[in-house]
Amino acid sequence: EVQLVESGGNLVQPGGSLRLSCAASGFTFSSYWMHWVRQVPGKGLVWVSRINTDGSSTRYADSVKGRFTISRDSAKNTLYLQMNSLRVEDTAVYYCARVLGYRVEFWGQGTQVTVSS
Amino acid sequence: DIVMTQTPLSLSVTPGQPASISCKSSQSLLHSDGKTYLSWYLQKPGQSPQLLIYEVSNRFSGVPDRFSGSGSGTDFTLKISRVEAEDVGVYYCMQSIQLPLTFGGGTKVEIK
Repeated sequence: EVQLVESGGNLVQPGGSLRLSCAASGFTFSSYWMHWVRQVPGKGLVWVSRINTDGSSTRYADSVKGRFTISRDSAKNTLYLQMNSLRVEDTAVYYCARVLGYRVEFWGQGTQVTVSS
Repeated sequence: DIVMTQTPLSLSVTPGQPASISCKSSQSLLHSDGKTYLSWYLQKPGQSPQLLIYEVSNRFSGVPDRFSGSGSGTDFTLKISRVEAEDVGVYYCMQSIQLPLTFGGGTKVEIK
């Protein structure tokens, strides 16, 4: 069974940093591209970042470019999102998601990030 | 960025009755490989989104056949032939032909 379990969400002050993790199991993690997508509770879905299978190619939404870094560790079957210079508007539930081809197939349960003073 | 526009905003449906959701994209989602990259997701209350339909009309593994997708180019539709209580939640369309991935604003489906 495919499982994606996010962790690392927390309450942080503006300007602070957090690192989110997404532990993958039930599939060959190193064979899949992965994304991060966020959602303000009660609002819509917003794409954040994408990484290819070996981590050599990454892309970011303009709103997080230069502040967030996506990475992966295939030995640990884990996807990461390093978030620096956090802003109030980064407050959201962050989901990791597995991609096959052009479709986003499976989503984790999400981890809450709250940026507030 | 490709803008995805969903209608209606909400639907109240009697169990056993059909439901239909429209999604329009600001650009064609037809790729040079001949495929059209439009997907539909359902986010049930308190859960993460789950894939229902990919490439316009392909049901994902385990998705009941009462769900169907259609459309081409920039106009797409999700249909539920007979709504069941477990179908409540928010439905989103998503384009994946280019980054950033973009989503429709969502359609909330509730049971009468």
